[in-house]
Amino acid sequence: AQSVTQLDSHVSVSEGTPVLLRCNYSSSYSPSLFWYVQHPNKGLQLLLKYTSAATLVKGINGFEAEFKKSETSFHLTKPSAHMSDAAEYFCVVTPSGFQKLVFGTGTRLLVSP
Amino acid sequence: DGGITQSPKYLFRKEGQNVTLSCEQNLNHDAMYWYRQDPGQGLRLIYYSQIVNDFQKGDIAEGYSVSREKKESFPLTVTSAQKNPTAFYLCASSGGTGGRNEQFFGPGTRLTVL
Repeated sequence: AQSVTQLDSHVSVSEGTPVLLRCNYSSSYSPSLFWYVQHPNKGLQLLLKYTSAATLVKGINGFEAEFKKSETSFHLTKPSAHMSDAAEYFCVVTPSGFQKLVFGTGTRLLVSP
Repeated sequence: DGGITQSPKYLFRKEGQNVTLSCEQNLNHDAMYWYRQDPGQGLRLIYYSQIVNDFQKGDIAEGYSVSREKKESFPLTVTSAQKNPTAFYLCASSGGTGGRNEQFFGPGTRLTVL
């Protein structure tokens, strides 16, 4: 069975400092992995995805994530946080060939001036 | 603009009533999905459809029904059998149903039972 664990329910950073949102996954198959962002009362927007190509994936708005099979991790990072990055972030896994997404419980990123 | 629209944005329902949430996409996607989001939880799949006139139950289908008569439309009905319907509902679509196809989400409908 596939599952995703987001290790922090909340992360607080100051504007201009690095962001690290942690995600560990469990999958019996070679997975596809995604990070989505959700601003309050909005739909989800895709930040980036890993589908067995390069292990370092670059996304929109300066975010990137590294797929580490040995650690079963797919942590999301950004070198310098902006106020506009404050939102909820979801790590998502799906085994290749299947359509069902398995969502983590989300990490709320708070950015202070 | 290509995308997914959901209406209404806010919906209030009295206990015992059925309500229907609208989802329309102009992305020419074959697959469409309905999710429910509750505070502090990830999204949970209610129903999905891989093609017109076909749909399957997701993880929490009880108390919900759907139809897929047109490629661009996938309405969700929340019936009176759904015991706790207050939640944020999100519709999504994807170009294919393989795991590598990202899903595109609508802006959501917030349903409140009075």
